[in-house]
Amino acid sequence: GENVEQHPSTLSVQEGDSAVIKCTYSDSASNYFPWYKQELGKRPQLIIDIRSNVGEKKDQRIAVTLNKTAKHFSLHITETQPEDSAVYFCAASTNYGQNFVFGPGTRLSVLP
Amino acid sequence: DARVTQTPRHKVTEMGQEVTMRCQPILGHNTVFWYRQTMMQGLELLAYFRNRAPLDDSGMPKDRFSAEMPDATLATLKIQPSEPRDSAVYFCASTSPGQGADQPQHFGDGTRLSIL
Repeated sequence: GENVEQHPSTLSVQEGDSAVIKCTYSDSASNYFPWYKQELGKRPQLIIDIRSNVGEKKDQRIAVTLNKTAKHFSLHITETQPEDSAVYFCAASTNYGQNFVFGPGTRLSVLP
Repeated sequence: DARVTQTPRHKVTEMGQEVTMRCQPILGHNTVFWYRQTMMQGLELLAYFRNRAPLDDSGMPKDRFSAEMPDATLATLKIQPSEPRDSAVYFCASTSPGQGADQPQHFGDGTRLSIL
C-alpha cells in the first residue's frame, strides 16, 4: 500500500523567513496531493492541493511543487508569519480515494 | 459554508461504558472517513465508507470498535467497552465524488474523548 513520509517533523523559522516541508510517497499511481494545516485544538483544513498533471501551484504565500518521477512533493511558505504556526500534513491519494494516506505531520513554529 | 458536523464535541466517561460518536457529512458527499488523533500526532485512519458501504476498516480494533452508516446523512463510530487508551480526538471527514479525480477531504471539528 501507499506510504507517505514527511520531513522535518519539527521546523522553527524566524518571522519573514521561508519554510519548506517535504513529502515522499511510494505508490506511483498516486495522483492527488493535498496539504492540510491544523492549528492547536482545531480541525485539519485544506490549504492547497496539486494533481499529477501539474508540476507547481501557487496561492499567495503558499506554493506546492510535485516531482512525479522522484515521487516527492513539497510545501513552500514564504514570508512566514506567527499565524502560520501549526502542524502541517501532506497526503497522497489515488483515484476515488481508494488509497488516501496522510504523512505524520510537521510542527512549524514561526518565531517573532 | 457547508461543513461536516460531529457530535458530541466532548465526551468524558468511565472505562467500560459504551461511546457513540456521530458524523453528518456534507450534503452530497458520498465518502466518509473516521480518523483518530492523539496528542497532536498523526491522523490514524480507522475506517471509511463509500456510498454507505464500508471499504476499509483495517485500522480499527474489531473487538471493541464498530462503524456504520445507517443512511447517507449519518455515520457512527461506537466503542464498547471503552478503555483509557481510547482517549483521543476522533475526526470525521467527507469528500465528494470527483470527475475521475480525487477531491479534498473536509474535516469536522472532532469529538474529544476522555475515558477515565
